[in-house]
Amino acid sequence: EADIYQTPRYLVIGTGKKITLECSQTMGHDKMYWYQQDPGMELHLIHYSYGVNSTEKGDLSSESTVSRIRTEHFPLTLESARPSHTSQYLCASRLGNQPQHFGDGTRLSIL
Amino acid sequence: QKEVEQNSGPLSVPEGAIASLNCTYSDRVSQSFFWYRQYSGKSPELIMSIYSNGDKEDGRFTAQLNKASQYVSLLIRDSQPSDSATYLCAVNIGRSQGAQKLVFGQGTRLTINP
Repeated sequence: EADIYQTPRYLVIGTGKKITLECSQTMGHDKMYWYQQDPGMELHLIHYSYGVNSTEKGDLSSESTVSRIRTEHFPLTLESARPSHTSQYLCASRLGNQPQHFGDGTRLSIL
Repeated sequence: QKEVEQNSGPLSVPEGAIASLNCTYSDRVSQSFFWYRQYSGKSPELIMSIYSNGDKEDGRFTAQLNKASQYVSLLIRDSQPSDSATYLCAVNIGRSQGAQKLVFGQGTRLTINP
């Protein structure tokens, strides 16, 4: 069983608020990822990191930012939330080219 | 052309039958292939990995890989209603070991009818 944790699981918050979604893994995985997924739709990669101090934007443009100061931690931040940011956000990690493991996700609703 | 392609379905199969899910990929040098299952409202979970041509069996699941045809499939025998989910094909893409990325298909929605 993969040990990757996302908090909060659910968040309902007003427009304009700053939000940080947390993701941590205890497996020493070098690569970490953030995906956005709307109900019934495909996964969209929004950010990834291949190691400490390495971050890249994914295939889908996103107004969010990420940081990777520690191997185990990969938070995602929205400076000013908007209703268009309402979605499910999934964090994942992997070691090298091994299979990728996902956290349980954060379901975000912006009012 | 997408790097990883799946038929989005929905695919409807009667209980007890074999469900066959297909995936094609564009990168001829890809070496690692994975199948994930995603229940509605949940995150994807890994169910199979395959690295060599041929078949790999795990319980009711069989993954099949044909690198020459750039084709990977998943067979589910004795389908159960609990197998109803979206199945995601994922392929390691890229020539450099350190810079390979895992590319997901759009997923096939499978429904098993009792």
